Amino acid sequence: GAVVSQHPSRVICKSGTSVKIECRSLDFQATTMFWYRQFPKQSLMLMATSNEGSKATYEQGVEKDKFLINHASLTLSTLTVTSAHPEDSSFYICSARQGGVYGYTFGSGTRLTVV
Amino acid sequence: AQSVTQLGSHVSVSEGALVLLRCNYSSSVPPYLFWYVQYPNQGLQLLLKYTSAATLVKGINGFEAEFKKSETSFHLTKPSAHMSDAAEYFCAVSEGAAGNKLTFGGGTRVLVKP
Repeated sequence: GAVVSQHPSRVICKSGTSVKIECRSLDFQATTMFWYRQFPKQSLMLMATSNEGSKATYEQGVEKDKFLINHASLTLSTLTVTSAHPEDSSFYICSARQGGVYGYTFGSGTRLTVV
Repeated sequence: AQSVTQLGSHVSVSEGALVLLRCNYSSSVPPYLFWYVQYPNQGLQLLLKYTSAATLVKGINGFEAEFKKSETSFHLTKPSAHMSDAAEYFCAVSEGAAGNKLTFGGGTRVLVKP
């Protein structure tokens, strides 16, 4: 079946530094990937939709200059949290859309802690 | 605009009892509906999906859901709960056009008592 690999699974960084999270579709091509943020005991909030070869579409209220998304190939999308602050600490999850009957496959998530 | 409401943020069931998780949606077009399960510190795993075929959808791990257009509902059930069913469950809707995003409900945490 479709597999999405997300790396790293956990990262701790200092306030003011940047962190890159990778999302790879391992056995299929994903023209569209999605990035979500999940706070403890809450649902997933869509941050942005990433399309291969074009600029990401950000949801209202998401700072595009802070959360940089790059979808350079059909199997890789990256999310960079720039100048991270403690309030950016969260669980970030990517999802890749596989063609056909609307299959969305999720990565295993990245726990970001900014200290 | 599409939205999803999950009634009950927490559900407690005894092992072997029926599991019923409620999901109601709103959508301006015929929806595509999904149920996902999430274990702690993990991503989401698809349980089942409705994509305008049969209204009763069977998924993995003994779960099934029924699409009821008149009630705008897509409730998830499992006849007999197992301890391994303890997790967070999310209902989601997509309005179906290629590449459309998923909108999630607030989630329901299931606790299974021995």
